[in-house]
Amino acid sequence: EPEVTQTPSHQVTQMGQEVILRCVPISNHLYFYWYRQILGQKVEFLVSFYNNEISEKSEIFDDQFSVERPDGSNFTLKIRSTKLEDSAMYFCASSERVQTNQPQHFGDGTRLSIL
Amino acid sequence: AQTVTQSQPEMSVQEAETVTLSCTYDTSESDYYLFWYKQPPSRQMILVIRQEAYKQQNATENRFSVNFQKAAKSFSLKISDSQLGDAAMYFCAYRITQGGSEKLVFGKGTKLTVNP
Repeated sequence: EPEVTQTPSHQVTQMGQEVILRCVPISNHLYFYWYRQILGQKVEFLVSFYNNEISEKSEIFDDQFSVERPDGSNFTLKIRSTKLEDSAMYFCASSERVQTNQPQHFGDGTRLSIL
Repeated sequence: AQTVTQSQPEMSVQEAETVTLSCTYDTSESDYYLFWYKQPPSRQMILVIRQEAYKQQNATENRFSVNFQKAAKSFSLKISDSQLGDAAMYFCAYRITQGGSEKLVFGKGTKLTVNP
């Protein structure tokens, strides 16, 4: 069964550094998402992306965050200048369609640790 | 605002027994989708089951079934004949759709332990 893949599985970065988290969505999916989960807290929506633009973003997704689909397969989340509070598990998801019974499919996540 | 509440941070069940995980949500919408996702220690969140709000019949997927009470805004997950591989975090999620986009709102999760 096709899967969403995320790399790296664990990223350790110094505060203030830029970090890029990578995702390869399922190949025929058109809608892409990023969520994050701070340790011990809920999984929270960050951003959705379709047709090379952001469809919706949460208030967490401030100017330090950006997303890109640089080629036909990758979907990236960039944090420009990381803060301690950015430490979390980041999940990428994709879906074939929206507003139907099609679910979002999640990757394994990238654990981001900011020192 | 839509919220999802899972009141049981942890649950345990004996192998082969049945366990029910609770989930309540708050919404003013009449048509929506609800999901249960499972996150085993390997970390990937896997869809367990989905329910369309306009369908009165409770969804079932093999050993997994839901008790969907729309008026009470309750969406519990029942796992029958529990197996060791069912041990995981279980997340209840409500899907918000608007303007051609969608997002999931998750509960805090319930950690299920299966005892041999």
